[in-house]
Amino acid sequence: AQTVTQSQPEMSVQEAETVTLSCTYDTSESDYYLFWYKQPPSRQMILVIRQEAYKQQNATENRFSVNFQKAAKSFSLKISDSQLGDAAMYFCAYRTISSGSARQLTFGSGTQLTVLP
Amino acid sequence: EAGVAQSPRYKIIEKRQSVAFWCNPISGHATLYWYQQILGQGPKLLIQFQNNGVVDDSQLPKDRFSAERLKGVDSTLKIQPAKLEDSAVYLCASSRPGQLSGANVLTFGAGSRLTVL
Repeated sequence: AQTVTQSQPEMSVQEAETVTLSCTYDTSESDYYLFWYKQPPSRQMILVIRQEAYKQQNATENRFSVNFQKAAKSFSLKISDSQLGDAAMYFCAYRTISSGSARQLTFGSGTQLTVLP
Repeated sequence: EAGVAQSPRYKIIEKRQSVAFWCNPISGHATLYWYQQILGQGPKLLIQFQNNGVVDDSQLPKDRFSAERLKGVDSTLKIQPAKLEDSAVYLCASSRPGQLSGANVLTFGAGSRLTVL
């Protein structure tokens, strides 16, 4: 079974600064997807960014980018020019693409990000 | 497009009572998921439907939890009798089936927060 570990329960960043959230995972599969979701106090899980394991290029979405290290099974999220609206719980998630599987998302325990004005 | 709708947003019950949660997925999304999110943890999959069939319910406590998806659209999740440890947010998500393309991303509802006293 796959596991996802987020070792930073809480992080804080000054507004306009850059912060990196860590995530590691364990899998025996060679092909899969990785995601970062954001969950604000409203509880709505919002997709931030996704990475296909077969792509070597790191995904980027505006101020959000990832550092995907497949051999190390590491998938960190970098938020540049942090804004007050970025404050939320961030979850790293893994999804298998193996045929015949349920293709469910497996989540880490989350990192609570505080943005300081 | 309209999002994933869930109700009620909040529910408080006493232990041993029953409760039901409702989810209406995004139109055209054949796959529906129920996740349980205990405070301070990442969401955990309870059950996954493909149309009106169950794909994965291996983590559903079947002695007290039940779920159905009649006609392959709306879904209900029921807990009877509730225990204190069932206090959590119950998240519903939906996605399109088939190959895991960039479009096949889970979209979550705002969740239903259950408090068991």
